[in-house]
Amino acid sequence: DAGITQSPRHKVTETGTPVTLRCHQTENHRYMYWYRQDPGHGLRLIHYSYGVKDTDKGEVSDGYSVSRSKTEDFLLTLESATSSQTSVYFCAISGGSDEQYFGPGTRLTVT
Amino acid sequence: GENVEQHPSTLSVQEGDSAVIKCTYSDSASNYFPWYKQELGKRPQLIIDIRSNVGEKKDQRIAVTLNKTAKHFSLHITETQPEDSAVYFCAASKVTGNQFYFGTGTSLTVIP
Repeated sequence: DAGITQSPRHKVTETGTPVTLRCHQTENHRYMYWYRQDPGHGLRLIHYSYGVKDTDKGEVSDGYSVSRSKTEDFLLTLESATSSQTSVYFCAISGGSDEQYFGPGTRLTVT
Repeated sequence: GENVEQHPSTLSVQEGDSAVIKCTYSDSASNYFPWYKQELGKRPQLIIDIRSNVGEKKDQRIAVTLNKTAKHFSLHITETQPEDSAVYFCAASKVTGNQFYFGTGTSLTVIP
């Protein structure tokens, strides 16, 4: 597996609380992505980054923000978590040759 | 934006038989088509991919075909084994580093 870690791996939080998920890579890849995976929807892109401080929205970005202050770290923040954001979140990285490699995932439950 | 449809959603085959999963895409500018395998509770793993300048690619028991005119691509697994049981996702993208659009997945079960 590519050098990608995600933290935390599991989290339970209450509606209305802020949550930050972290993706860390050791591959020095330029591109990083956040996806959510839900039954019946496959993987949907939330936000992606094409360099330090360079980010853009994906198809399901509402309610999420991201930051990338270092090449190796890409943070996903839910400012005020809602039950509809209960999901499995995957980070992915790409070195620019098209292939994307996924992290182990974070299971988030919002009660 | 791009729309990727994947069929079937579930597929059961006998061990040793072949399995075929099909995807269609809507954006003719898409030029990269990967396939991922995801075992229960695990991350998606890239198993094979194809670019728009190629019609077919093989890797041992796995092959992918692409028909750009019809805008569809397929995953073929021959001589299936129980360890092939997993969910398979197709995806399409059009620019290096840009976003992938994923199909909704096919749950493949190989019956021993």
